[in-house]
Amino acid sequence: QKEVEQNSGPLSVPEGAIASLNCTYSDRGSQSFFWYRQYSGKSPELIMSIYSNGDKEDGRFTAQLNKASQYVSLLIRDSQPSDSATYLCACNSGNTPLVFGKGTRLSVIA
Amino acid sequence: DGGITQSPKYLFRKEGQNVTLSCEQNLNHDAMYWYRQDPGQGLRLIYYSQIVNDFQKGDIAEGYSVSREKKESFPLTVTSAQKNPTAFYLCASSRWDRERVPQHFGDGTRLSIL
Repeated sequence: QKEVEQNSGPLSVPEGAIASLNCTYSDRGSQSFFWYRQYSGKSPELIMSIYSNGDKEDGRFTAQLNKASQYVSLLIRDSQPSDSATYLCACNSGNTPLVFGKGTRLSVIA
Repeated sequence: DGGITQSPKYLFRKEGQNVTLSCEQNLNHDAMYWYRQDPGQGLRLIYYSQIVNDFQKGDIAEGYSVSREKKESFPLTVTSAQKNPTAFYLCASSRWDRERVPQHFGDGTRLSIL
């Protein structure tokens, strides 16, 4: 059974701080990794993808991947109250549907 | 605008009734998916389809049925056999390549029991 594990939170950070969200996965064959943001009552929205070891930056977001440790993370710099949401980690290998974690709820305190 | 359209936004089911949730996409994606999300929970895969006239069961297919007669459409029927149907239902689509393929979601249908 392929699994993706996330701390459910809530993770509370002050406005302007760095929020660090973490994810581990069980399938060593996983090749593609994604972060989705889901606001309360809304559907998930893709915000980052990463496929190679290392860091990938997009604006205030940085995704980090370490395949040897089977670990993916998402850093949000200069956190804003509008970043308060649940962040879902997902991964897949080959022709299979994405496997999602249960999500980490982030609360940015103004 | 390209996207995924789910309807209705809210749906109520009576005891013993089957209900059908609609999902249409104009992204020319090969693959379509149905997920169920319960409060405070992650996404659980119900069914997925890689190609027209073919579909596979996901982790929680019991009590649900699907069809894929057109590339653009993947309706989900919640049957009376599904005893706890109250949830947020999400349809997604994607290309069907070997890897590096994100899924994109519709706005969801919220189903409740009357």
